[in-house]
Amino acid sequence: DIQLIQSPSSLSASVGDRVSITCRASRAFNDYLAWYQQKPGKAPKLLIYGTATLQSGVPSRFSGSGSGTEFTLTISSLQAEDVATYYCQKYNSAPWTFGGGTKVELK
Amino acid sequence: QVQLQESGPGLVKPSQTLSLTCSVSGASISRGTFYWSWIRQRPGKGLESIGSIFYNGSTYDNPSLKSRLTISMDTSENQFSLTLRSVTAADTAVYYCARVRGTIFGPGVSDIWGPGTLVTVSS
Repeated sequence: DIQLIQSPSSLSASVGDRVSITCRASRAFNDYLAWYQQKPGKAPKLLIYGTATLQSGVPSRFSGSGSGTEFTLTISSLQAEDVATYYCQKYNSAPWTFGGGTKVELK
Repeated sequence: QVQLQESGPGLVKPSQTLSLTCSVSGASISRGTFYWSWIRQRPGKGLESIGSIFYNGSTYDNPSLKSRLTISMDTSENQFSLTLRSVTAADTAVYYCARVRGTIFGPGVSDIWGPGTLVTVSS
Protein backbone atom coordinates (compact mmCIF):
# COMPACT_ATOMS: atom_id res chain seq x y z
CA ASP A 1 0.00 0.00 0.00
CA ILE A 2 1.14 3.54 -0.75
CA GLN A 3 1.81 5.60 2.37
CA LEU A 4 1.56 9.39 2.41
CA ILE A 5 3.90 11.39 4.64
CA GLN A 6 3.23 15.08 5.15
CA SER A 7 5.82 17.61 6.18
CA PRO A 8 6.08 19.56 8.27
CA SER A 9 3.67 18.16 10.84
CA SER A 10 3.08 21.72 12.03
CA LEU A 11 4.17 25.21 11.12
CA SER A 12 3.79 28.74 12.40
CA ALA A 13 3.65 31.66 9.97
CA SER A 14 2.58 35.29 9.82
CA VAL A 15 -0.33 36.77 7.91
CA GLY A 16 0.85 37.41 4.36
CA ASP A 17 3.51 34.70 4.39
CA ARG A 18 3.82 32.11 1.63
CA VAL A 19 3.27 28.64 3.11
CA SER A 20 4.06 25.30 1.51
CA ILE A 21 3.11 21.82 2.70
CA THR A 22 4.58 18.68 1.15
CA CYS A 23 2.98 15.27 0.75
CA ARG A 24 5.42 12.49 -0.14
CA ALA A 25 4.27 9.08 -1.33
CA SER A 26 6.10 5.81 -0.68
CA ARG A 27 5.61 4.91 -4.33
CA ALA A 28 4.82 7.00 -7.39
CA PHE A 29 1.26 7.24 -8.60
CA ASN A 30 -0.76 9.36 -11.01
CA ASP A 31 -2.18 12.80 -10.22
CA TYR A 32 -5.13 11.52 -8.18
CA LEU A 33 -4.11 13.57 -5.16
CA ALA A 34 -6.41 15.85 -3.16
CA TRP A 35 -5.98 18.36 -0.36
CA TYR A 36 -8.47 19.06 2.44
CA GLN A 37 -8.66 21.78 5.08
CA GLN A 38 -10.05 20.96 8.51
CA LYS A 39 -10.80 23.61 11.12
CA PRO A 40 -11.22 22.58 14.79
CA GLY A 41 -14.49 20.82 15.47
CA LYS A 42 -15.51 20.89 11.80
CA ALA A 43 -15.64 18.41 8.96
CA PRO A 44 -12.87 18.55 6.37
CA LYS A 45 -13.38 20.74 3.31
CA LEU A 46 -12.14 19.82 -0.15
CA LEU A 47 -9.63 22.39 -1.45
CA ILE A 48 -7.85 20.80 -4.41
CA TYR A 49 -8.23 17.62 -6.46
CA GLY A 50 -6.36 16.12 -9.37
CA THR A 51 -3.17 17.56 -7.81
CA ALA A 52 -3.83 21.10 -9.03
CA THR A 53 -7.54 21.73 -9.70
CA LEU A 54 -9.11 24.19 -7.31
CA GLN A 55 -12.48 23.18 -5.91
CA SER A 56 -15.24 25.67 -6.69
CA GLY A 57 -15.38 28.51 -4.17
CA VAL A 58 -11.87 28.00 -2.81
CA PRO A 59 -9.77 31.19 -2.77
CA SER A 60 -7.11 31.44 -5.47
CA ARG A 61 -4.35 31.87 -2.89
CA PHE A 62 -4.48 28.08 -2.56
CA SER A 63 -2.67 26.07 -5.23
CA GLY A 64 -1.45 22.53 -5.71
CA SER A 65 1.40 21.06 -7.69
CA GLY A 66 3.58 18.00 -7.99
CA SER A 67 3.84 14.59 -9.56
CA GLY A 68 5.11 11.09 -8.95
CA THR A 69 5.98 10.89 -5.26
CA GLU A 70 6.02 14.54 -4.24
CA PHE A 71 3.05 16.89 -4.09
CA THR A 72 2.75 20.38 -2.63
CA LEU A 73 -0.02 22.59 -1.31
CA THR A 74 0.87 26.28 -1.34
CA ILE A 75 -0.92 29.19 0.29
CA SER A 76 0.45 32.27 -1.48
CA SER A 77 -0.48 34.76 1.23
CA LEU A 78 -1.59 33.27 4.53
CA GLN A 79 -4.76 34.71 6.02
CA ALA A 80 -6.04 34.38 9.58
CA GLU A 81 -8.92 32.20 8.40
CA ASP A 82 -6.45 29.67 6.96
CA VAL A 83 -5.50 28.46 10.43
CA ALA A 84 -6.40 24.79 10.20
CA THR A 85 -5.01 21.31 9.69
CA TYR A 86 -4.42 20.27 6.08
CA TYR A 87 -4.54 16.68 4.79
CA CYS A 88 -3.53 15.15 1.49
CA GLN A 89 -5.33 12.08 0.16
CA LYS A 90 -4.63 9.70 -2.70
CA TYR A 91 -7.56 8.27 -4.58
CA ASN A 92 -6.10 6.36 -7.50
CA SER A 93 -6.79 2.98 -5.91
CA ALA A 94 -7.71 1.25 -2.67
CA PRO A 95 -6.95 1.92 0.08
CA TRP A 96 -7.86 5.60 -0.17
CA THR A 97 -5.33 6.85 2.35
CA PHE A 98 -4.77 10.25 3.90
CA GLY A 99 -1.55 11.86 5.01
CA GLY A 100 -0.99 12.49 8.71
CA GLY A 101 -1.89 16.17 8.52
CA THR A 102 -0.11 19.52 8.83
CA LYS A 103 -1.29 21.99 11.44
CA VAL A 104 -0.94 25.63 10.36
CA GLU A 105 -0.91 28.26 13.07
CA LEU A 106 -0.35 32.02 13.17
CA LYS A 107 2.91 33.38 14.51
CA GLN B 1 -28.10 22.09 -1.85
CA VAL B 2 -26.84 18.64 -0.93
CA GLN B 3 -26.62 17.96 2.79
CA LEU B 4 -25.60 14.90 4.78
CA GLN B 5 -26.36 14.13 8.41
CA GLU B 6 -25.03 11.27 10.52
CA SER B 7 -27.15 9.68 13.25
CA GLY B 8 -26.78 6.85 15.71
CA PRO B 9 -25.77 5.99 19.28
CA GLY B 10 -22.97 8.02 20.79
CA LEU B 11 -21.93 5.21 23.12
CA VAL B 12 -21.31 1.56 22.27
CA LYS B 13 -20.04 -1.16 24.58
CA PRO B 14 -16.89 -3.12 23.71
CA SER B 15 -17.50 -6.25 21.60
CA GLN B 16 -20.86 -4.92 20.45
CA THR B 17 -21.90 -3.48 17.08
CA LEU B 18 -21.63 0.16 16.01
CA SER B 19 -24.41 1.24 13.66
CA LEU B 20 -24.68 4.65 12.02
CA THR B 21 -26.94 6.08 9.35
CA CYS B 22 -26.31 8.95 6.97
CA SER B 23 -29.39 10.80 5.72
CA VAL B 24 -28.93 12.59 2.41
CA SER B 25 -31.01 15.54 1.25
CA GLY B 26 -30.82 17.45 -2.00
CA ALA B 27 -29.63 14.49 -4.05
CA SER B 28 -30.67 10.92 -4.73
CA ILE B 29 -28.20 8.23 -3.68
CA SER B 30 -29.71 5.92 -6.28
CA ARG B 31 -28.35 8.00 -9.16
CA GLY B 32 -25.15 6.57 -10.57
CA THR B 33 -23.07 9.70 -10.32
CA PHE B 34 -21.56 9.61 -6.86
CA TYR B 35 -20.30 7.17 -4.28
CA TRP B 36 -21.31 7.51 -0.65
CA SER B 37 -18.63 7.09 1.94
CA TRP B 38 -17.71 6.76 5.61
CA ILE B 39 -14.54 8.29 7.06
CA ARG B 40 -13.49 8.42 10.69
CA GLN B 41 -11.12 10.42 12.85
CA ARG B 42 -9.86 9.09 16.16
CA PRO B 43 -9.49 11.76 18.88
CA GLY B 44 -6.57 14.03 18.06
CA LYS B 45 -5.61 11.93 15.04
CA GLY B 46 -5.86 12.03 11.27
CA LEU B 47 -8.49 10.83 8.82
CA GLU B 48 -9.12 7.18 7.97
CA SER B 49 -11.23 6.01 5.06
CA ILE B 50 -13.68 3.29 6.14
CA GLY B 51 -15.45 2.47 2.89
CA SER B 52 -17.80 3.55 0.14
CA ILE B 53 -20.92 2.30 -1.61
CA PHE B 54 -22.13 2.94 -5.14
CA TYR B 55 -25.75 3.19 -6.33
CA ASN B 56 -25.67 -0.42 -7.57
CA GLY B 57 -24.63 -1.72 -4.15
CA SER B 58 -20.95 -2.21 -4.95
CA THR B 59 -18.79 -1.48 -1.94
CA TYR B 60 -15.18 -0.45 -1.52
CA ASP B 61 -13.95 -1.33 1.98
CA ASN B 62 -10.78 -0.46 3.88
CA PRO B 63 -8.94 -3.82 3.99
CA SER B 64 -8.06 -3.30 7.65
CA LEU B 65 -11.75 -3.10 8.58
CA LYS B 66 -13.28 -5.34 5.94
CA SER B 67 -13.85 -8.37 8.16
CA ARG B 68 -15.95 -6.32 10.63
CA LEU B 69 -17.59 -3.90 8.21
CA THR B 70 -20.85 -3.67 6.31
CA ILE B 71 -21.91 -0.62 4.31
CA SER B 72 -25.44 -0.68 2.92
CA MET B 73 -27.99 1.66 1.41
CA ASP B 74 -31.75 2.22 1.65
CA THR B 75 -32.76 4.06 -1.50
CA SER B 76 -36.37 4.41 -0.36
CA GLU B 77 -35.19 6.48 2.61
CA ASN B 78 -32.25 8.04 0.70
CA GLN B 79 -29.90 6.84 3.43
CA PHE B 80 -26.78 4.74 3.67
CA SER B 81 -25.48 2.97 6.72
CA LEU B 82 -22.36 1.74 8.46
CA THR B 83 -22.20 -1.38 10.62
CA LEU B 84 -18.96 -2.18 12.45
CA ARG B 85 -18.92 -5.35 14.50
CA SER B 86 -16.88 -6.39 17.56
CA VAL B 87 -15.81 -2.85 18.42
CA THR B 88 -13.01 -1.95 20.80
CA ALA B 89 -11.81 1.30 22.32
CA ALA B 90 -9.72 1.79 19.18
CA ASP B 91 -12.95 2.37 17.26
CA THR B 92 -13.72 5.47 19.32
CA ALA B 93 -13.80 8.28 16.78
CA VAL B 94 -15.78 10.99 15.05
CA TYR B 95 -17.50 9.29 12.13
CA TYR B 96 -18.21 11.33 9.01
CA CYS B 97 -20.34 10.44 6.02
CA ALA B 98 -19.51 12.08 2.71
CA ARG B 99 -20.48 12.32 -0.95
CA VAL B 100 -17.67 11.08 -3.17
CA ARG B 101 -17.07 11.84 -6.83
CA GLY B 102 -16.34 8.84 -8.97
CA THR B 103 -13.27 8.23 -11.12
CA ILE B 104 -12.38 5.52 -13.61
CA PHE B 105 -10.75 3.70 -10.68
CA GLY B 106 -13.71 3.96 -8.34
CA PRO B 107 -14.37 6.40 -5.45
CA GLY B 108 -12.51 9.69 -5.69
CA VAL B 109 -12.63 12.87 -3.64
CA SER B 110 -15.14 13.65 -0.89
CA ASP B 111 -16.69 16.96 -1.86
CA ILE B 112 -19.56 17.21 0.63
CA TRP B 113 -19.34 16.04 4.23
CA GLY B 114 -21.73 15.61 7.11
CA PRO B 115 -20.88 17.41 10.36
CA GLY B 116 -19.71 14.17 11.97
CA THR B 117 -20.82 12.25 15.03
CA LEU B 118 -18.69 11.13 17.95
CA VAL B 119 -18.95 7.47 18.87
CA THR B 120 -17.33 6.35 22.08
CA VAL B 121 -16.66 2.69 22.77
CA SER B 122 -16.71 2.14 26.50
CA SER B 123 -18.35 -0.06 29.09
